[in-house]
Amino acid sequence: EAEVAQSPRYKITEKSQAVAFWCDPISGHATLYWYRQILGQGPELLVQFQDESVVDDSQLPKDRFSAERLKGVDSTLKIQPAELGDSAMYLCASSIYVAGEGTDTQYFGPGTRLTVL
Amino acid sequence: AQKITQTQPGMFVQEKEAVTLDCTYDTSDQSYGLFWYKQPSSGEMIFLIYQGSYDEQNATEGRYSLNFQKARKSANLVISASQLGDSAMYFCAMREPNSGYALNFGKGTSLLVTP
Repeated sequence: EAEVAQSPRYKITEKSQAVAFWCDPISGHATLYWYRQILGQGPELLVQFQDESVVDDSQLPKDRFSAERLKGVDSTLKIQPAELGDSAMYLCASSIYVAGEGTDTQYFGPGTRLTVL
Repeated sequence: AQKITQTQPGMFVQEKEAVTLDCTYDTSDQSYGLFWYKQPSSGEMIFLIYQGSYDEQNATEGRYSLNFQKARKSANLVISASQLGDSAMYFCAMREPNSGYALNFGKGTSLLVTP
């Protein structure tokens, strides 16, 4: 069964350092999402791509976060510099519209758990 | 304003019993979608079930069913014949056209299934 891949699974870094997360969506899925999930909360959207284009990055803290999906396949999310408040789970999801289902269900990867010390 | 409300922070259910997890939502759109996801301690969000706003019948997927009451704006998840492996966080989410089709999640309900 096709899955969304993410790496690394865990990352510990010191504040002010740079970190990067990678996501490989399910093959053929044009839409890719990055979510951040703070402990005890539901995930919140950071950025959404349609192919290589950004659809929504209104919640992305652009002074320190950047995201790219250069060839419309895999994606990288970067934080520079990391702050203590960035400690969270970073989840990647992908979707494709299927006419018979009437919606495009998002399938999530295993996530990257970031700890900033 | 919170668009998805899950009022039960934690729930207990005995193995083989049924359990209902509550979810209410807020939207002014006529077209929207409602989803439930399961998140075990490993962290991955697992898709369980989907209900479209125009679907007249309640969605079902195996032991999962969604009790959709449109007028009350509620979309409760019913898990029948609970199993120990059902212990996890459960999130209700809504997808609206004006949000770019990203999901708005509730805060989740922690379910513990006891022997």
